[in-house]
Amino acid sequence: DTGVSQNPRHKITKRGQNVTFRCDPISEHNRLYWYRQTLGQGPEFLTYFQNEAQLEKSRLLSDRFSAERPKGSFSTLEIQRTEQGDSAMYLCASSLGQGARYEQYFGPGTRLTVT
Amino acid sequence: KNQVEQSPQSLIILEGKNCTLQCNYTVSPFSNLRWYKQDTGRGPVSLTIMTFSENTKSNGRYTATLDADTKQSSLHITASQLSDSASYICVVSSSGGSYIPTFGRGTSLIVHP
Repeated sequence: DTGVSQNPRHKITKRGQNVTFRCDPISEHNRLYWYRQTLGQGPEFLTYFQNEAQLEKSRLLSDRFSAERPKGSFSTLEIQRTEQGDSAMYLCASSLGQGARYEQYFGPGTRLTVT
Repeated sequence: KNQVEQSPQSLIILEGKNCTLQCNYTVSPFSNLRWYKQDTGRGPVSLTIMTFSENTKSNGRYTATLDADTKQSSLHITASQLSDSASYICVVSSSGGSYIPTFGRGTSLIVHP
């Protein structure tokens, strides 16, 4: 399978714990995006990378959130001191270029439940 | 502020029937509009993409239309199947700035046998 992959697919954690998600984009794609999606809503932009550089972060990305993309390949999204409001589907997407015409290909998402 | 509004929020139809989903946007400057299908618990998958000069684009039983003057788009599904049950998300990209697309909330479609 050469699509975008995300791990884990599901994560249940207790409030206050740290969690880390991984995204492996399509190999030749230089742009990588993170989104958060809650039930009944469309995806909300969190941050994106052009190769290894993090170029933009949404105001939704509080200090408890951090994302990395070392070497411009896979990316990780870490949430520290999780809160119940962090429960959501976290989607990763990648695209071949930076123009608006380049389609974003989405991974299956990581479902986070904070108890 | 760039916004994408979709209607209806949810829709229930019988298998074999047609339906039309609506999308209104205020994204400017406009680059393109995509319709995505998202199955429950999965990531969105692109159905169609339209640029400013395109009025209609088809993908099998899915036909998208775009009126760039009124900033409206529709997605028409013909002869619905049970597998069409999903959320359909309208996504509009701007040609300015960082090209971060604006997502609608989606229309939840349920097809009953």
